[in-house]
Amino acid sequence: DAGVIQSPRHEVTEMGQEVTLRCKPISGHDYLFWYRQTMMRGLELLIYFNNNVPIDDSGMPEDRFSAKMPNASFSTLKIQPSEPRDSAVYFCASSRLAGGPSNTGELFFGEGSRLTVL
Amino acid sequence: GEDVEQSLFLSVREGDSSVINCTYTDSSSTYLYWYKQEPGAGLQLLTYIFSNMDMKQDQRLTVLLNKKDKHLSLRIADTQTGDSAIYFCAERDSSASKIIFGSGTRLSIRP
Repeated sequence: DAGVIQSPRHEVTEMGQEVTLRCKPISGHDYLFWYRQTMMRGLELLIYFNNNVPIDDSGMPEDRFSAKMPNASFSTLKIQPSEPRDSAVYFCASSRLAGGPSNTGELFFGEGSRLTVL
Repeated sequence: GEDVEQSLFLSVREGDSSVINCTYTDSSSTYLYWYKQEPGAGLQLLTYIFSNMDMKQDQRLTVLLNKKDKHLSLRIADTQTGDSAIYFCAERDSSASKIIFGSGTRLSIRP
């Protein structure tokens, strides 16, 4: 398996523009997570899905952020309009539900999408 | 809500042991994890411990869990330059779905 695939790896955009980040989870994983990493706040959980259904979006900063998972192999995180304070590395991760010693519920991370909003 | 705390920086001499500490708040956590992040990369699982264990050893890594104090530590023996990275402590919440991460400890190795 290729692992979790994120695109783009880097994006530079201007304030007010729409940004769409994409993620392909590992096949067979039923959980998908979006995290944001900044120097100031560390790694923050934005939203997670189980079987394509959003379970907890309490970490989404504001209405400018939205996430979808139309099917088991694809998710998007959209920021509209973007602001300079949204600059961060956005990680997607997937996992199977933890249960027993053979499955620790390990999260598998993509390499991240580095967003810079000017 | 759940919270995981760790110090931001640690500097050790090459060959010494590194000890990274973490405290968490959810007493019903089921799994606790240590992830490693190398520059420009995503996080990768380093090791984990079940909440009903006190200690786990894996080659140069030793994880200690004190459930009473909600304290987790990671010891890296004979620290090498390749161990330079950010180390994240994480807990899986009692619903067994959400993982909460600490802010990460940046480990630097000096010669």
